[in-house]
This record gives sequence, C-alpha cells and structure tokens, in this order.
Amino acid sequence: DVKVTQSSRYLVKRTGEKVFLECVQDMDHENMFWYRQDPGLGLRLIYFSYDVKMKEKGDIPEGYSVSREKKERFSLILESASTNQTSMYLCASSFSLAGDENTDTQYFGPGTRLTVL
Amino acid sequence: GQQLNQSPQSMFIQEGEDVSMNCTSSSIFNTWLWYKQDPGEGPVLLIALYKAGELTSNGRLTAQFGITRKDSFLNISASIPSDVGIYFCAGLRGFYSGGGADGLTFGKGTHLIIQP
Repeated sequence: DVKVTQSSRYLVKRTGEKVFLECVQDMDHENMFWYRQDPGLGLRLIYFSYDVKMKEKGDIPEGYSVSREKKERFSLILESASTNQTSMYLCASSFSLAGDENTDTQYFGPGTRLTVL
Repeated sequence: GQQLNQSPQSMFIQEGEDVSMNCTSSSIFNTWLWYKQDPGEGPVLLIALYKAGELTSNGRLTAQFGITRKDSFLNISASIPSDVGIYFCAGLRGFYSGGGADGLTFGKGTHLIIQP
C-alpha cells in the first residue's frame, strides 16, 4: 500500500513564526504536492515537485515555499505565519510512468490542521 | 485555475438506497479520480479513470469517464452507514499541458448523509 505520512496532525503557531510541515512517502514516487483545504473553497494546489530539488508553483504559492532535498520528503515552509494561513494542509504523491504522463494518480496523507493565532 | 462543477452539494438518503453524483467541466481532463474524505482525514482514492468512455467498478462503487473528457459520474449501490463522508471528484490534465502548474483540480465535494 502507498503510504504518505505528515509530521503532525495538529499544529498551533503564533503569527510571525516560521512553520515547517513535513511530508514523507515510501513508494519512491517522483511527484509530490502540497494542497490546502478550506471550507467553501475546496482543495487548492500550493506547490508541487516532480523531482529532487525541483519545484513548481501551484495556484496559491504566495506566503509559502517548499524544499525537496530527498526524493521521499517534501517540506512546506511558512516563512512568517499569518492568521489567513490557518487551514488543513494535505500532502500527496504520485508516480509517473515513463512516456505516459496521464496516469499520475495522487495518494494523500492524513493532513495537518494548522492554526495560526 | 480550472473549475469542476460537482453536484449535488449534499445528499440525505436512506440506508440501502443507491447514490449518484457527477462532475462536469468546461475543460478537458485526461484523468478523472474519485476520492472519499472522512472528517479530519486526508482524501482516500476510490476509483481512477484514465480513458474516455471507461467504466470502472470497485465493489459497490461504479464510475465512468465521459466520452467528451469533460465529465464523470460516481454511483454507489445499496448504501451503508460507513459510506457517510464527503466525496470529491478530481481531474488531471497532466504535467505537460504547457499551461504551468498542473496538480489536481477538485470539485467542491458531495456531502453524503445516510439515515438508518
């Protein structure tokens, strides 16, 4: 079974703090993603990575950065947390079949519920 | 970003009833995925569809990838209490569409409530 784990289920931080959210997958997937989920807005893509040290902006990258130093680990960084970043953060990963980019099924971790006070 | 229109927004049904929900888009997707999410958990993949016209079953669940590539439906037969949750459709255009970031595009979800 695909296993995607996130470092914390619940996190409470103060405004201005630097926050690290960690995600690890054990299936040797090339692609990893960070989404946030908010009521009424659904899931929105923040950043994704298709290889080590590679990153691409998603739909809402402002206020976030990412790091992918190892294939199995993808970190989301909030440089200076703000109250509007209170949300459920979901990490996902997928593999890519060589020459068949249409089969990138994404598997999700359990989520981290971040509250910024 | 792209939008997926998912309906209905919520469903109140009796245990044992069949359930049907769908997603439509103005854009073409190359993959359609259906997920279920329980409160406080991440989405869990139910069914993945990769080809237009494809009909796929997973137990009591059946999903189809529309011929136009712009829609998909999910059916649940003979619903049981553990089917309660939020169901999301998601579409993927693929990384090489040339349009920049391409993660999944999600519908807003269908909240399924089952009355015993």
